[in-house]
Order: sequence, then C-alpha cells, then structure tokens
Amino acid sequence: KAGVTQTPRYLIKTRGQQVTLSCSPISGHRSVSWYQQTPGQGLQFLFEYFSETQRNKGNFPGRFSGRQFSNSRSEMNVSTLELGDSALYLCASSRSSGQATYEQYFGPGTRLTVT
Amino acid sequence: DAKTTQPTSMDCAEGRAANLPCNHSTISGNEYVYWYRQIHSQGPQYIIHGLKNNETNEMASLIITEDRKSSTLILPHATLRDTAVYYCIVRVGVTWMDSSYKLIFGSGTRLLVRP
Repeated sequence: KAGVTQTPRYLIKTRGQQVTLSCSPISGHRSVSWYQQTPGQGLQFLFEYFSETQRNKGNFPGRFSGRQFSNSRSEMNVSTLELGDSALYLCASSRSSGQATYEQYFGPGTRLTVT
Repeated sequence: DAKTTQPTSMDCAEGRAANLPCNHSTISGNEYVYWYRQIHSQGPQYIIHGLKNNETNEMASLIITEDRKSSTLILPHATLRDTAVYYCIVRVGVTWMDSSYKLIFGSGTRLLVRP
C-alpha cells in the first residue's frame, strides 16, 4: 500500500509570498495532521483534519491554515512568509478504526526555505 | 498528556542490543507509551506502543515497568540503519470520535550505532 505522499519535496520562496503544500494520506486514512520541524523548536503540531473538519490546532499564528478535501487529501497554506517559516513540514495520516490506540504514518516532508 | 524524559544521546555497537530508556513518572492510567524514530531528514516512523504489558513486534520490544513510570525500547540487534533520533511519547488512549491525533514530541534520544 502506498505511503503518505507530500508535494513538493523542496520549495524556495521569498519573504512576503504565500505557499501551499499538499499531502495525500494512505488510502483509507481519514485523519491528516501537519507538523513543523525546525532545528530550534523541534517537531511541533500545527493542526489536524478529519472528515474535512479541523479537529485540533497547535499554537501557530493565523498565517498558517489548512483544509481537507472529501478524498482526505489535505493542503496547508502559509501566507506572508517570514524567514522563520523555513522548516521541514511533515504530514501524517491515521486511520479511524474506533480503537483506543492509533499510529500516525508520516510522509517524507516538504522542505521550505524562505529567503 | 504526561511529560517524558529521555537521555540526549546514546551509542551502541552494531549487532548488540540498544536499550533506550524513557521516564514518564506522571503517566496516568489511561495513557499509552508510543515510540517513534526519525532517521535524518525523513519523516518520523512509528515503532511500537504499549499500555502496561510488554510488547514486541518485528522492529523492537517495549518493556514497561510495573508502576508504569518508565519504559525501555529495545532494538535487539542494532544495525547502522538504526542510527536515528528516538522519541518516547505518552498519549491518552482515545477513539477517533473523542479526540484528535495530536502527538507532542520532545527532544528525543539521538542513537548512534557504531560499526
């Protein structure tokens, strides 16, 4: 079964621009989460979508937004890019099995560089 | 979610067992222990999880102390490809209807497997 895919893998943008990153979850997975990873802050949770609804949001400014489509694919958008937004952006998917435990499967990430 | 404490770094020889400790002294009765690892510049990879019984899968074994305040991840025969950052995460068990799939990552343990 194909894993989580993210596009693009690498991106260079200029301050003030906006960017859209895409994530395709594992087939059958309905939950998609986004994380930001930087050397200084480590891995930080951005938000999670389930059935096209945002269920949880991390402590990030409103410039960071996302959405999920009916086929569970998700996009995240960052507007008015700042130098500090340079990071590895990771997407993870989980299935909704109704069990009390779950695993998240991560994609390879999109490395965003803001100049 | 309970906080975890892990050593910053460890090393072991190739072919030997790698034992990675994690302290979670404030863990609650309904919280599970999860382990993920991240090989350089890749997305985190799920390894194993457990509640109170020891668990084993094809990748590793998880030993949880009887009081559940600490656990050890065991890689029985470490290889060079096991060099990675290992994250111990404590998370309450939920169903997909109750909550979201948010993971809080700490700093992890950087494991170096020596040839």
